[in-house]
Amino acid sequence: DTEVTQTPKHLVMGMTNKKSLKCEQHMGHRAMYWYKQKAKKPPELMFVYSYEKLSINESVPSRFSPECPNSSLLNLHLHALQPEDSALYLCASSQGTGVGNTIYFGEGSWLTVV
Amino acid sequence: GQNIDQPTEMTATEGAIVQINCTYQTSGFNGLFWYQQHAGEAPTFLSYNVLDGLEEKGRFSSFLSRSKGYSYLLLKELQMKDSASYLCAVRSGGYNKLIFGAGTRLAVHP
Repeated sequence: DTEVTQTPKHLVMGMTNKKSLKCEQHMGHRAMYWYKQKAKKPPELMFVYSYEKLSINESVPSRFSPECPNSSLLNLHLHALQPEDSALYLCASSQGTGVGNTIYFGEGSWLTVV
Repeated sequence: GQNIDQPTEMTATEGAIVQINCTYQTSGFNGLFWYQQHAGEAPTFLSYNVLDGLEEKGRFSSFLSRSKGYSYLLLKELQMKDSASYLCAVRSGGYNKLIFGAGTRLAVHP
């Protein structure tokens, strides 16, 4: 079972709204990731959590705020977004962050900022 | 710098064999992954190479040459459902950071 589940599948929000994207995995993985993917572009890493601690922040604007409440859950809090932030947001997980750990992706959350 | 190159688009015939190439120049290298992504869906893991040579998994094989900074994904007995984007990704640096190529859109026709 290599399932990473994300909610909601689709989200439309205004530039003044506050919303959250949620991700869950029950594979016992200790590393979780947020990637952003624009249309016809490859995924770009945003954040990496390892053992519930933020390990990498790829200079992401503060209007994106990640949270890892426990080893199975990963949230992405959104506030004051811009239309150019509209994209597919992919959550992923892996057993660890060492060599050879495969990253498994969820189905993504389509975000539209209006 | 980090640079991963793949052809933008390829077409092939059902039942045929296709090879998708990937060349990379990255500041670090700890393995190369291939993912398949259908339009509007998440990437799904296909293969992983960290040592030179060929890895075979059913209809899919992947090859790596670290000295040449080169990999390819070989798809045999193509099926219509193989029409998708194929992403080459290099693990570079710590914390399992993946750098993706732009992807190759493969169209399989009858």
